[in-house]
Amino acid sequence: NAGVIQTPRHKVTGKGQEATLWCEPISGHSAVFWYRQTIVQGLEFLTYFRNQAPIDDSGMPKERFSAQMPNQSHSTLKIQSTQPQDSAVYLCASSLVWGGQDTQYFGPGTRLLVL
Amino acid sequence: GDSVTQTEGLVTLTEGLPVMLNCTYQTIYSNPFLFWYVQHLNESPRLLLKSFTDNKRTEHQGFHATLHKSSSSFHLQKSSAQLSDSALYYCALSPPGTGSNRLTFGKGTKFSLIP
Repeated sequence: NAGVIQTPRHKVTGKGQEATLWCEPISGHSAVFWYRQTIVQGLEFLTYFRNQAPIDDSGMPKERFSAQMPNQSHSTLKIQSTQPQDSAVYLCASSLVWGGQDTQYFGPGTRLLVL
Repeated sequence: GDSVTQTEGLVTLTEGLPVMLNCTYQTIYSNPFLFWYVQHLNESPRLLLKSFTDNKRTEHQGFHATLHKSSSSFHLQKSSAQLSDSALYYCALSPPGTGSNRLTFGKGTKFSLIP
């Protein structure tokens, strides 16, 4: 089992450019989560899919962030018109089932730097 | 919304001494799930402990925690800290049931051991 796969591992963009981050959850896992990690804020929830359907996007900055899960094997997080404050490590996690007690397994993250 | 408060900043201890990292939470739910995640340098967070049973001690890898709903606490303890325990520790909460299973994290506690 390869674990959660995230690509790219590092991304540098210029201010105003678009960034697309990819996540492949653990095979068979039905829930996929996106989080953002910064030194100042720590780990913050962004969005959550269950069986590919969007369930909760309450943590997403509304105007420039979007997430999709077109099939059970991958999810994307897209940031339009990136800003320096978007610089962070973006973590994808998956869990086998969607009960609150289920363990979420985190990927290695994508470190985004916006210049 | 839900919130988690934990010992913030850096905790430094001499190897071999006992350690306790504090975690308290606020939620409208009477049966939340509580977690401790550990993140070693250049790694992603991984589950250390979880619990949803009031007043029941949960143990793993020498660490233990007890969920006390009366005080909304889930403190992490270890009787004898080791150098390999140096890491960032996050306390997190998830709502019960089958709604959004998002994790709400505390700000994280950086734990550093001195030989």
